[in-house]
Amino acid sequence: GESVGLHLPTLSVQEGDNSIINCAYSNSASDYFIWYKQESGKGPQFIIDIRSNMDKRQGQRVTVLLNKTVKHLSLQIAATQPGDSAVYFCAENFAGGTSYGKLTFGQGTILTVHP
Amino acid sequence: DAGVIQSPRHEVTEMGQEVTLRCKPISGHNSLFWYRQTMMRGLELLIYFNNNVPIDDSGMPEDRFSAKMPNASFSTLKIQPSEPRDSAVYFCASSPDLSLNEKLFFGSGTQLSVL
Repeated sequence: GESVGLHLPTLSVQEGDNSIINCAYSNSASDYFIWYKQESGKGPQFIIDIRSNMDKRQGQRVTVLLNKTVKHLSLQIAATQPGDSAVYFCAENFAGGTSYGKLTFGQGTILTVHP
Repeated sequence: DAGVIQSPRHEVTEMGQEVTLRCKPISGHNSLFWYRQTMMRGLELLIYFNNNVPIDDSGMPEDRFSAKMPNASFSTLKIQPSEPRDSAVYFCASSPDLSLNEKLFFGSGTQLSVL
């Protein structure tokens, strides 16, 4: 899972393996979740999102799982490639008053893929 | 589309100087966000606009920080006077609309170093 402070969680995998990145979110009222990928020197890039009325959503090589009971989100990357090496952030949002669009980001997980 | 464009990419300045960061959102996007990223605090939302109007500036750290959006295609974030603790990467992001399920498109960021 993600942590606060200087030391980001890290995950090292071999090319071709499946990767699972975890995130514990904070607000039980959050109803929209996004995973972003940030490569070195670039801004975060959208990967996949999921609404709170779903528990699973699949994209191309990626799957997001949502467990609202324990406030847990995971990102699964199939057949991980060296180009997947990046920092991965989960983000949550809740529709409270004027909070639309006000995403709260986790601290990030560093994924390193070895050829 | 060129995406969200930020300038400068890098800024090095001395404590006490004024710093202005610039952002051009994606054409047609109605919402614009300024984020700051540091190792210690991760990605923090500073302020966001909808239709050029500031909606929530509760994340702006101090009165030294100000942001404007004079038109739909341009925004600035100004720090005056700058301090070493302002050193961070500042990201601008835009989204098509300020609604619950709109993902953000980030620029490449401005790396600010205040000496």
